[in-house]
Amino acid sequence: DTAVSQTPKYLVTQMGNDKSIKCEQNLGHDTMYWYKQDSKKFLKIMFSYNNKELIINETVPNRFSPKSPDKAHLNLHINSLELGDSAVYFCASSQTSGGISGELFFGEGSRLTVL
Amino acid sequence: DQQVKQNSPSLSVQEGRISILNCDYTNSMFDYFLWYKKYPAEGPTFLISISSIKDKNEDGRFTVFLNKSAKHLSLHIVPSQPGDSAVYFCAGTSGTYKYIFGTGTRLKVLA
Repeated sequence: DTAVSQTPKYLVTQMGNDKSIKCEQNLGHDTMYWYKQDSKKFLKIMFSYNNKELIINETVPNRFSPKSPDKAHLNLHINSLELGDSAVYFCASSQTSGGISGELFFGEGSRLTVL
Repeated sequence: DQQVKQNSPSLSVQEGRISILNCDYTNSMFDYFLWYKKYPAEGPTFLISISSIKDKNEDGRFTVFLNKSAKHLSLHIVPSQPGDSAVYFCAGTSGTYKYIFGTGTRLKVLA
């Protein structure tokens, strides 16, 4: 039973299209994240939600819109895809205790290729 | 601004020997550090962590050392096993939900 699951695992699409990646966690965590790993292998945070509230938005183009319908889900919608959006996108979750966030649990990643 | 740096992109070690992976950081506000291990086509998995109030944390074959004055941490794996071959990421956080990762070091343990 996968703790953090993302779909789809692979996504190939044309420039200009709109696509979504879904993420679900069954760990009961209160915080979820989207990270991007680009061709240089940097794992960069994009967004973080705590109890469905956006708490981190790291200068990501507004073509990227996260949505958290509930604590267990954090989806990522990308409009007008560009070549530079090609990357592996990782969803993660963690549990906050006393205002401190514990370790991250990652999904398997979604590899997006924009042609 | 790369707040967490792993200057060795790769490392090869013989099975049974010690693997030492290094990480440097610049943000003095970091108070918690983590190491993650990543196999191909999988997400990173948590390995071990250390709070800034400690200088060492041990878990089985894995030990993390923190030198705050040098802003340096290292992960020691003893003894190294072929199954340890993976990419290792270090990360730092100031407890504000923001984990900053290094670029990773690819460890290859030779049988």
